[in-house]
Amino acid sequence: QVQLVQSGAEVKKPGASMKVSCKTSGYTFTTYGITWVRQAPGQGLEWMGWISVYNGNTNYAQNFQGRVTMTADTSASTAYMELRSLRSDDTAVYYCARKKYSSGLVDYWGQGTLVTVSS
Amino acid sequence: DIQMTQSPSSLSASVGDRVTITCQASRDISNYLNWYQQKPGKAPKLLIYDASNLETGVPSRFSGSGSGTDFTFTISSLQPEDFATYYCQQYDNLPDTFGQGTRLDIK
Repeated sequence: QVQLVQSGAEVKKPGASMKVSCKTSGYTFTTYGITWVRQAPGQGLEWMGWISVYNGNTNYAQNFQGRVTMTADTSASTAYMELRSLRSDDTAVYYCARKKYSSGLVDYWGQGTLVTVSS
Repeated sequence: DIQMTQSPSSLSASVGDRVTITCQASRDISNYLNWYQQKPGKAPKLLIYDASNLETGVPSRFSGSGSGTDFTFTISSLQPEDFATYYCQQYDNLPDTFGQGTRLDIK
C-alpha cells in the first residue's frame, strides 16, 4: 500500500534551518510528484510548493521563494523540504503528499512533522 | 493565484442530518477540485476528487458536485465519526489553493 512516512518533530531556534524528509513506499517514486503543505496551530492548510520527482523541477509558493528548497532522492524514494531563516510564525505541522503529474490530483499524505520555532 | 472561498466556516449539526458545504473558485477550474476531511492531529484524508468522484473506501454518504467555479460537498446522513474539519482544494493551476475550511461539530 502507498505510504509516505515523515521524519520526527523538531525544535529550532529563530534564524536556523529545518529539513523534513518524506520516505515513500508502495508505488514507483518517479511516477508522481511530491507537494508540501503546512498548517500553523489552529489554522488552515497552506501550499508551499511541489517537486516533479521525475526531472527535479520545482514550483514554490511566493511566500517561501528564496527560503525553501525541495529535493528528491530517487535512489531512496525520499523527498526533502528545507526551510531556512526560520521565524516563530514558521511553527507548524509540515505535510508531504503525493501529486499526480497528469491531473495534479493530490491523494496520499504523510503523517505530518511538527516543527516548533522558539528561542 | 486562484482564490477558494469556502462556506460556512463552521457548522453545528446532529447525527442523521444532511449537511452541505460550498466552495467557490475565483476563476474556472473545470472539475479539478478535491474535498478533504481532517481530524485533530491527523493529516487530511481525501474524500472526493475531480469534484464528484468518491475516493475508494469512502462511504457513499459523502458526495460532491459542481464544475467551473461553484462546487458543493454533501454528507447525506451525518455519523458520529464525521465531525471534523473539511477543506476544498483546487489543483487546476499552481499554486494549489485551499478553502479556509469548515469546522463541523455536534449540535
